[in-house]
Amino acid sequence: AQTVTQSQPEMSVQEAETVTLSCTYDTSESDYYLFWYKQPPSRQMILVIRQEAYKQQNATENRFSVNFQKAAKSFSLKISDSQLGDAAMYFCAYRSGTGTASKLTFGTGTRLQVTL
Amino acid sequence: KAGVTQTPRYLIKTRGQQVTLSCSPISGHRSVSWYQQTPGQGLQFLFEYFSETQRNKGNFPGRFSGRQFSNSRSEMNVSTLELGDSALYLCASSARTSGGSYEQYFGPGTRLTVT
Repeated sequence: AQTVTQSQPEMSVQEAETVTLSCTYDTSESDYYLFWYKQPPSRQMILVIRQEAYKQQNATENRFSVNFQKAAKSFSLKISDSQLGDAAMYFCAYRSGTGTASKLTFGTGTRLQVTL
Repeated sequence: KAGVTQTPRYLIKTRGQQVTLSCSPISGHRSVSWYQQTPGQGLQFLFEYFSETQRNKGNFPGRFSGRQFSNSRSEMNVSTLELGDSALYLCASSARTSGGSYEQYFGPGTRLTVT
């Protein structure tokens, strides 16, 4: 079974600074997808960024980018120019690329605080 | 494109009752998954439906069931409610992108409180 580990329960960053959230996963599969979701106080889960395991290039979405290290099974999220609206819980998630099931396996989350 | 919608948003039930939650996926998405989120257990997968068939099931008791209709709308039912069923229930719809990846988007959730 796949597992996802987020070892940082809480992180803090100053506005306009850069922060990196860590995620490691364990799988025996070679085809899979990785995601970062943001959950603000409203509890709405928002897709931040996704990475296909077969792509070597790291995904980027505006101020959000990932460092995907397939051999190390590491998938960290970098937030640049942090804004107050980035404050939220961030979840790393794994989805198998084998078969057709849509099940996501989540990490325990990292609470990000953004300070002035 | 409208997002995933869930109804109701908030629900208070008494132990022993049953409850039905509804989820309407993004137009064109045929897969609907359900998750339970609690402070103690985090986000746990309940089940997934695709084209009216349950395609995958998590490790939950049989009191938790679901179904999907021909228009891809899904319902989740919990019978004989227990205090531990108090949680945020999230629905997600999924589809393959033209680029070969998957997109999976969540609804706002239904907050269930069992008293």
